[in-house]
Amino acid sequence: NAGVTQTPKFRVLKTGQSMTLLCAQDMNHEYMYWYRQDPGMGLRLIHYSVGEGTTAKGEVPDGYNVSRLKKQNFLLGLESAAPSQTSVYFCASSPTGRNTIYFGEGSWLTVV
Amino acid sequence: AQSVTQPDIHITVSEGASLELRCNYSYGATPYLFWYVQSPGQGLQLLLKYFSGDTLVQGIKGFEAEFKRSQSSFNLRKPSVHWSDAAEYFCIPSGNTPLVFGKGTRLSVIA
Repeated sequence: NAGVTQTPKFRVLKTGQSMTLLCAQDMNHEYMYWYRQDPGMGLRLIHYSVGEGTTAKGEVPDGYNVSRLKKQNFLLGLESAAPSQTSVYFCASSPTGRNTIYFGEGSWLTVV
Repeated sequence: AQSVTQPDIHITVSEGASLELRCNYSYGATPYLFWYVQSPGQGLQLLLKYFSGDTLVQGIKGFEAEFKRSQSSFNLRKPSVHWSDAAEYFCIPSGNTPLVFGKGTRLSVIA
């Protein structure tokens, strides 16, 4: 029972490099989310999706892009990484917006 | 717009003492309410949730929370804290809009 799986778990990037974080869920959930967590800031929503083929901006979308081509996958892209994007990234999913949220274990990203 | 407030940024309690973490929400209707816990270096784990019905909700690890509509509160309680409860705690209202997290309450447990 995998639940929500994030890859990679750890990554170090150089400023200006690009990368994609993959989130996969096997629960057939409609809603998926990407959050970042920084010390003293709690979790802040980057982007979210309410179904396959849909995406929407959250609180802190700048510098990130997302895609939801398949219902089970939600990709978070950094086109040109900046040190300010050093953070822990969490993916989550839920059956609907008004329901239990399931989190992945996090992806630690460092941009140098 | 929905919002949640956890007034206490950091709380320190002695092992074996009781605990209450406060959560106040602002929402147009009664939201679904959740408490999550995040241990250091870990993801978030669901402690308990309230959808409707009995306003006193039991969760895992001996935690409970009480929904009080008149006070717009959903405070988390535990009668006797264990050292392993040291973690970050998040109160989350879930509605039809994207999930909003407070900054959480960090719990430290001392011997």
